[in-house]
Amino acid sequence: GENVEQHPSTLSVQEGDSAVIKCTYSDSASNYFPWYKQELGKRPQLIIDIRSNVGEKKDQRIAVTLNKTAKHFSLHITETQPEDSAVYFCAAPSTGTASKLTFGTGTRLQVTL
Amino acid sequence: DAGITQSPRHKVTETGTPVTLRCHQTENHRYMYWYRQDPGHGLRLIHYSYGVKDTDKGEVSDGYSVSRSKTEDFLLTLESATSSQTSVYFCAISEYGTQNYEQYFGPGTRLTVT
Repeated sequence: GENVEQHPSTLSVQEGDSAVIKCTYSDSASNYFPWYKQELGKRPQLIIDIRSNVGEKKDQRIAVTLNKTAKHFSLHITETQPEDSAVYFCAAPSTGTASKLTFGTGTRLQVTL
Repeated sequence: DAGITQSPRHKVTETGTPVTLRCHQTENHRYMYWYRQDPGHGLRLIHYSYGVKDTDKGEVSDGYSVSRSKTEDFLLTLESATSSQTSVYFCAISEYGTQNYEQYFGPGTRLTVT
């Protein structure tokens, strides 16, 4: 099955700075890589995803990059704001199809004023 | 939020008692999932369903069973609860099979086993 490692486990940035979270995966057949955001006491929600046929995807202040050769993908948040404070999870298909996902262990992002 | 509810939202039970958690959806999505969330472990898949009466194990299925007799309901049962099953349990649904792979999560159930 897939093995997903996520780093760092905690990240503190000042408001306005950029934040980068990185995940590595083990199965070269994986083709779908989502990122979920979970605010304190809330449910996880998808914020962005990328498929293996593209190397980068952007949505306003967030972007995801994918390096298939190195088997890693990263979440980039620019111009961070206090409302970006949350736990972020990456994921990859557990068995080569996106019907089942393996999640990373999460990164707690704290945006300080 | 997608039409997903979980019941109960909070439960305290004693070791050795059976517990059933319910996930109900109004989206008619084919796939349903049960995860547990623990500090340092992220979200781990317990069981999932790809249709009525079609279920399969996830990575942490020991001590858990599931049933899906209707499209809208997915039940998770702890036959004999243990303290190690104290956790927050999330249900999720997905349309996988179309081009939308997104999983939509329910509000979660906090279970404490004493």
